Amino acid sequence: GAGVSQSPRYKVAKRGQDVALRCDPISGHVSLFWYQQALGQGPEFLTYFQNEAQLDKSGLPSDRFFAERPEGSVSTLKIQRTQQEDSAVYLCASSWTSGNPEQYFGPGTRLTVT
Amino acid sequence: GDSVTQMEGPVTLSEEAFLTINCTYTATGYPSLFWYVQYPGEGLQLLLKATKADDKGSNKGFEATYRKETTSFHLEKGSVQVSDSAVYFCALSDQGFQKLVFGTGTRLLVSP
Repeated sequence: GAGVSQSPRYKVAKRGQDVALRCDPISGHVSLFWYQQALGQGPEFLTYFQNEAQLDKSGLPSDRFFAERPEGSVSTLKIQRTQQEDSAVYLCASSWTSGNPEQYFGPGTRLTVT
Repeated sequence: GDSVTQMEGPVTLSEEAFLTINCTYTATGYPSLFWYVQYPGEGLQLLLKATKADDKGSNKGFEATYRKETTSFHLEKGSVQVSDSAVYFCALSDQGFQKLVFGTGTRLLVSP
């Protein structure tokens, strides 16, 4: 595709609900990243995939957060039992390889937990 | 751990004014440095980058020079336009380019 796409763009969840956020990276991009951006802050790293392998998940804030990329293309970030502090914009980015410094970002999914 | 500090905003300028947004970093090794821009209602876009000391990144009239001795990567533009109004993020990545570490962002408001 022309760029990184994410869906849904907006998600409202009641506290305690599970949510799934989807990322479609640029075709052919090997590396995929998830970031969390709280209101008025810079994005913070959550996790990183190279193809289907999750090589770094050090930024996931709790075991309620889970990410997968089973076929090395589309990725899903799942948040179980959502809490109000999970409200943020979730950004996905992709790059050609881990050796390429340029990451291309999607528009983000704004999650609001009520 | 690695970190990025950038000046707080908002920065308010008149059209054609000179812009500087300060950015300093703390990192082990030799990181690559980036400026990303987020226009209203849009996603993050890479504005410019520098991958080693003394490199100058430039794009759309914006420039930043990688200064290892002062651990800085200040963003400059000689004459801003209303269309430059956006939030600017300074970021670094380690030598493996496996994640970006961002500053908190600086909002720029340019008035006609």
